[in-house]
Amino acid sequence: GENVEQHPSTLSVQEGDSAVIKCTYSDSASNYFPWYKQELGKRPQLIIDIRSNVGEKKDQRIAVTLNKTAKHFSLHITETQPEDSAVYFCAASRSGGGADGLTFGKGTHLIIQP
Amino acid sequence: NAGVTQTPKFRILKIGQSMTLQCTQDMNHNYMYWYRQDPGMGLKLIYYSVGAGITDKGEVPNGYNVSRSTTEDFPLRLELAAPSQTSVYFCASSLNSNQPQHFGDGTRLSIL
Repeated sequence: GENVEQHPSTLSVQEGDSAVIKCTYSDSASNYFPWYKQELGKRPQLIIDIRSNVGEKKDQRIAVTLNKTAKHFSLHITETQPEDSAVYFCAASRSGGGADGLTFGKGTHLIIQP
Repeated sequence: NAGVTQTPKFRILKIGQSMTLQCTQDMNHNYMYWYRQDPGMGLKLIYYSVGAGITDKGEVPNGYNVSRSTTEDFPLRLELAAPSQTSVYFCASSLNSNQPQHFGDGTRLSIL
């Protein structure tokens, strides 16, 4: 089955700086890659997703890049703010929207230092 | 429009007890999922359903059962609770295979 590795497990950045979280996946048939943000004690919330026919997608301060050849994808957050502090999860799926479920990475705890 | 609703929010069980975690969605979504999240870990898929009457196993189905008699409801059953099932359980749904999954608030389950 699919295996998703996520790095780093903890990332501390100064407010206003950029943050990058990286994930690799094992199943070359995976074609859907969402990113979720989870605040302490809350539900995971989708922040951005990308499909395998696209190399990059951007939404305001958040962007995701995908390298299908290398089987890795990354989340980029620019101009970080205190409210960006949370745990971020990457995921992968063979089906377009994760119809047969998502395989998640173990998460990155992002800490924004004031 | 409540989205995905899970009940209860918290529960403590004794070893060997059984219980049903409820999940309902009011968005007319065809696809529904159950995940568990252990401390410091990502979510792992337990079971999923692509429509009423259809269910399939995910990565960690042992010790659980599900049913999908209606589009709205997707209950998760624990028959003989074990300490290893202590976790936070999340239900999710999506409209179809090309739409993202949206999660409920979770059920925190402790088995002692």
